[in-house]
Amino acid sequence: KQEVTQIPAALSVPEGENLVLNCSFTDSAIYNLQWFRQDPGKGLTSLLLIQSSQREQTSGRLNASLDKSSGRSTLYIAASQPGDSATYLCAVIKAAGNKLTFGGGTRVLVKP
Amino acid sequence: GAGVSQSPSNKVTEKGKDVELRCDPISGHTALYWYRQRLGQGLEFLIYFQGNSAPDKSGLPSDRFSAERTGESVSTLTIQRTQQEDSAVYLCASRYGTGGSQPQHFGDGTRLSIL
Repeated sequence: KQEVTQIPAALSVPEGENLVLNCSFTDSAIYNLQWFRQDPGKGLTSLLLIQSSQREQTSGRLNASLDKSSGRSTLYIAASQPGDSATYLCAVIKAAGNKLTFGGGTRVLVKP
Repeated sequence: GAGVSQSPSNKVTEKGKDVELRCDPISGHTALYWYRQRLGQGLEFLIYFQGNSAPDKSGLPSDRFSAERTGESVSTLTIQRTQQEDSAVYLCASRYGTGGSQPQHFGDGTRLSIL
């Protein structure tokens, strides 16, 4: 059974500092990995999707890397802003079109 | 609409009552998923619809839970004889295409509270 872990569970940084969020998964046979952002009382916003054949994806200040063999992904957020404060979730899919298996999330607070 | 729409946004009901939650996926999205997020816990998969194929119901926690979807349109999740442990945010997601190369897009959820 696939298990996804995110450490730390919470993170507080001053504005301008780079954020590094970690995600690990136990079964390396994944189809893709997706990073989401969740604001309080809201649904999930998709940030980046990395196919299993890819090593990284970038969007603006966000960069996500994937090391499938070691079961790890890292989300980097450069030059953090207070608006980046949210819970960040990673999730993996085992096969095409399948369900997402989620980590517990990392709650991020960026202090002005 | 532009995104996945869920209704109601909040629902408070008494234990033992039936509830029905609705999800309108993004137009053209063939895949639709239901997830549950209980307080202090991660998101749990409930059920997955892909076009006219038989749904994957492997995540439904009990036979009190059921879901329907007609074609590629609206889906309803029904919980019968609700229990307090059913209190959670129920999230719906839709995805374009049949493969896994497209991301799942989520609605804002229905917050269900069982008294």
